Amino acid sequence: GQGVEQPDNLMSVEGTFARVNCTYSTSGFNGLSWYQQREGHAPVFLSYVVLDGLKDSGHFSTFLSRSNGYSYLLLTELQIKDSASYLCAVRDQGGRALIFGTGTTVSVSP
Amino acid sequence: DMKVTQMPRYLIKRMGENVLLECGQDMSHETMYWYRQDPGLGLQLIYISYDVDSNSEGDIPKGYRVSRKKREHFSLILDSAKTNQTSVYFCASSLSTGGRTEVFFGKGTRLTVV
Repeated sequence: GQGVEQPDNLMSVEGTFARVNCTYSTSGFNGLSWYQQREGHAPVFLSYVVLDGLKDSGHFSTFLSRSNGYSYLLLTELQIKDSASYLCAVRDQGGRALIFGTGTTVSVSP
Repeated sequence: DMKVTQMPRYLIKRMGENVLLECGQDMSHETMYWYRQDPGLGLQLIYISYDVDSNSEGDIPKGYRVSRKKREHFSLILDSAKTNQTSVYFCASSLSTGGRTEVFFGKGTRLTVV
């Protein structure tokens, strides 16, 4: 079947880092996207990965391992404003729409 | 301006009433979506529209129907609302359905059915 799994919560401290894990299963892989959703707001696109390895985008980096059905989003130099839910998503079987995980709520404390 | 606009933002309806949620986008995107988001369940796809009058059921279409008569507008209709349809509804759009395609979301409509 198809599905996306993420841990529910993650706590970290300002100035450090947080790694948000995502495991997925899909019949035909067509890339994986990360979205940020602040409380009471809409999801906002962060990153797209389709090749294995680490993709460094500065404050956000993403890693993908297609053979393991695994990705992570790495947030470095955490700021309080990074507190949000981070959603992992893959395309569904027909490549039509995104299948989202339930999101990981990252809480950054001073 | 690259926006997806949803109206209304908040809505309270009685069980059995009809509900119309409206969505517009100004990016000439072909593809539009309706998702609902519930705690613990994440975003679930209700309907997808590939263009005018080209709509397809998502994962949870029961109790909903959609209408797309213009490319920039996509409506979600609940005929005879039920309490389990209380949720936050997100409209979204994308240029296409390709893997790399960014999906843009509206701010959501919080619907409460009492």
